[in-house]
Amino acid sequence: GAGVSQSPRYKVAKRGQDVALRCDPISGHVSLFWYQQALGQGPEFLTYFQNEAQLDKSGLPSDRFFAERPEGSVSTLKIQRTQQEDSAVYLCASSYDRIEQFFGPGTRLTVL
Amino acid sequence: DQQVKQNSPSLSVQEGRISILNCDYTNSMFDYFLWYKKYPAEGPTFLISISSIKDKNEDGRFTVFLNKSAKHLSLHIVPSQPGDSAVYFCAASAAGNNRKLIWGLGTSLAVNP
Repeated sequence: GAGVSQSPRYKVAKRGQDVALRCDPISGHVSLFWYQQALGQGPEFLTYFQNEAQLDKSGLPSDRFFAERPEGSVSTLKIQRTQQEDSAVYLCASSYDRIEQFFGPGTRLTVL
Repeated sequence: DQQVKQNSPSLSVQEGRISILNCDYTNSMFDYFLWYKKYPAEGPTFLISISSIKDKNEDGRFTVFLNKSAKHLSLHIVPSQPGDSAVYFCAASAAGNNRKLIWGLGTSLAVNP
């Protein structure tokens, strides 16, 4: 079956631009997670959805970061007024039971 | 403060031999541990997991051992193959924390032919 897909795979933004990153989870997976991975680091948790409900957004680094999953399937991570420190790989994962999470290929964001 | 630690940034083994990757954790609330493999420019690929109620889980060439008293787990790959060359991440989660994964920094494994 199809895995988790993310788009775009690569995004270059000028500082101050807004960006939107898309995640298509595995069909039937109710849980969806976003992580941020800086170069040479492990992924770090950003936010978690169960269906359309955002149950945990404790990892979002600032109020410039916003995520939504309006119909309980596709999710979008939006970053407003991007800064250079936002440059990272953004990973999306979905899960049926929350325990085993399956990841997409990630979106590499570079802010110039 | 790192709650999940992988103290070896890199490991090199010969093809056919055993690879042992280690991971330590500090949070006693963690009750599920997972290993992921990551190739460059790809997302992490789930390999194997273990619940805290077990001390061993095996899947083909991959075995994970958990020592709760020492807060230590290890991933054994036998026999190692060149295609196993990748970065391996240890991750942990807790039921009371929405199962968000807490990750180590990874160990880069090179399997030499």
